[in-house]
Amino acid sequence: NAGVTQTPKFQVLKTGQSMTLQCAQDMNHNSMYWYRQDPGMGLRLIYYSASEGTTDKGEVPNGYNVSRLNKREFSLRLESAAPSQTSVYFCASRNLLSSYNEQFFGPGTRLTVL
Amino acid sequence: AQSVTQLGSHVSVSEGALVLLRCNYSSSVPPYLFWYVQYPNQGLQLLLKYTSAATLVKGINDFEAEFKKSETSFHLTKPSAHMSDAAEYFCAVSDHSGDKIIFGKGTRLHILP
Repeated sequence: NAGVTQTPKFQVLKTGQSMTLQCAQDMNHNSMYWYRQDPGMGLRLIYYSASEGTTDKGEVPNGYNVSRLNKREFSLRLESAAPSQTSVYFCASRNLLSSYNEQFFGPGTRLTVL
Repeated sequence: AQSVTQLGSHVSVSEGALVLLRCNYSSSVPPYLFWYVQYPNQGLQLLLKYTSAATLVKGINDFEAEFKKSETSFHLTKPSAHMSDAAEYFCAVSDHSGDKIIFGKGTRLHILP
């Protein structure tokens, strides 16, 4: 099993450009998550999808959109990138049979917006 | 609402010394608690989790954590630090609905030779 995969690993954008971060998991998990990680801020939840066909806002959703394409894939879109969105983005998945199940993380996408 | 507080954004210990990373949580219901580790330029990996089966939880690489309800704490310890333990550590709590996990801001562990 590959676990949680993310593409791309690195990306540089100019202000105003758009892009989509891709995430896929092969563990048959029902819940998926997008976080951003900034120094001293820990992980902040952007959006999550508790199950296929549903999405909900997290702590910092402004400037982002998501699509739960199917059970495996959950993408994050920046419509008009801003320098404040420079960050490391992590996707995670979780098998929500029980609330004590942990999240599994992808390797991250390092995004720089100039 | 649930929350997690990690005391100390940076902790330094000498190689071979005891590692203690502090985590306090706030929860109105019995929590599920996790410790994750992040090595440089990698994603987060689960170290251990508390699910109410036992208050002392053992994880990978000789780490363990003790759930203390009276202190609302879930501190992470390791008897003897190794250079390879240098990383960032995150404490987390699962919220009541189970949909989300709330993360602390992290503690970066430095190991001194």
